Amino acid sequence: EIILTQSPATLSLSPGERATLSCRASQSISSYLAWYQQRPGQAPRLLIYDASNRATGIPARFSGSGSGTDFTLTISSLEPEDFAVYYCQQRSNWPSFGGGTKVEIK
Amino acid sequence: EVQLVESGGGLVQPGRSLRLSCAASGFTFDDYAMNWIRQVPGKGLEWVSGISWNSGNIEYADSVKGRFTISRDNVKNSLYLEMNSLRPEDTALYYCAKDMGYCSGGRCYWFDSWGQGTLVTVSS
Repeated sequence: EIILTQSPATLSLSPGERATLSCRASQSISSYLAWYQQRPGQAPRLLIYDASNRATGIPARFSGSGSGTDFTLTISSLEPEDFAVYYCQQRSNWPSFGGGTKVEIK
Repeated sequence: EVQLVESGGGLVQPGRSLRLSCAASGFTFDDYAMNWIRQVPGKGLEWVSGISWNSGNIEYADSVKGRFTISRDNVKNSLYLEMNSLRPEDTALYYCAKDMGYCSGGRCYWFDSWGQGTLVTVSS
């Protein structure tokens, strides 16, 4: 079983600041990683797949990087609607998700 | 616009059964694999089960294997989850989610559209 560990658990930032979220896999997953955003009361939304590809309609301020075991989601300049919980997900064997990082307003 | 609408959730006693449904519209349903993913309110996400476009490939998480059955009806554009021998730990919001579908065999396991979920509560 592949375990995804996300850090930090909570990130306190102000609008306009840069957010850097981390996801670490317990073993190599190549580039088989996705990122999702979940706002309160809403379903998750796919942001990034295959580690670095933006999904349809996702703004350019969201970017993903990494391969193997270490991955990063970067939000270049936080907009008010970006304050949410972010999950990483791998598909190297059956799908599994990380525990999430909450990006909150400082 | 892709729409996925789940139904069938509710309060059920441990050991009983429940059948969830997901009505799909806005895309060619039988072109895509589909999945069920659950979330305990306030907690993280757990993939539950997936089914290929033609029902030829079906997978389950270990936590539900032998108790849950996924199926689909491509004429009715609908996805189903039959849940038997329910346990309190199955309590969650159950989402229907569409696979992106561009990968080999149509199974990317990237979930690009989600419904709003249906809540299942297992309690005596």
